[in-house]
Amino acid sequence: GAVVSQHPSWVICKSGTSVKIECRSLDFQATTMFWYRQFPKQSLMLMATSNEGSKATYEQGVEKDKFLINHASLTLSTLTVTSAHPEDSSFYICSARPLRGRSTGELFFGEGSRLTVL
Amino acid sequence: KQEVTQIPAALSVPEGENLVLNCSFTDSAIYNLQWFRQDPGKGLTSLLLIQSSQREQTSGRLNASLDKSSGRSTLYIAASQPGDSATYLCAVNLNAGNMLTFGGGTRLMVKP
Repeated sequence: GAVVSQHPSWVICKSGTSVKIECRSLDFQATTMFWYRQFPKQSLMLMATSNEGSKATYEQGVEKDKFLINHASLTLSTLTVTSAHPEDSSFYICSARPLRGRSTGELFFGEGSRLTVL
Repeated sequence: KQEVTQIPAALSVPEGENLVLNCSFTDSAIYNLQWFRQDPGKGLTSLLLIQSSQREQTSGRLNASLDKSSGRSTLYIAASQPGDSATYLCAVNLNAGNMLTFGGGTRLMVKP
């Protein structure tokens, strides 16, 4: 099956620093990747849609200058949490849609990255 | 705006029971519906994908049904095992753009 990898799995940082999270599709190409945020015992909330070679589309209420998304290739999207603060602590999950799966609409998810800001 | 609800929020059953997880959505004009499994602190594993034109999908001990007109989907787990313990999420896709709307999930515990 299609594999999506996220790195790092865990990251702890001091308040004010920036953290980059990578999302890679390992065995397929993805023109579109999605970034979600999940708080403890809650469901996933879509943050933004990342399109290869173009600007990301952010959901209402998500600060684009706070959460920088880059999708430079068909297999890699990055989420940078800039000037992180404790309220940014969360579980971030990416998903990708394979080119071949465009007709089925099936999405595959990464393993998630847990960010803790001290 | 599409809203997705999952009932129950939590479920505890003894090993071997057959069980049903429910998912309802407000906008019946969906493209597809996907069921996922999430283990604590982990990402999502896709279980079953049902296209809008389909009524059900089966994979091993799992069977998912879809009734678009009533805005409902069910995930049936046969002969449950402790390894099935996890949170089960349903997600609705309104169009081919793949913007999923997730339900709140059902936390399942299967006791040995």
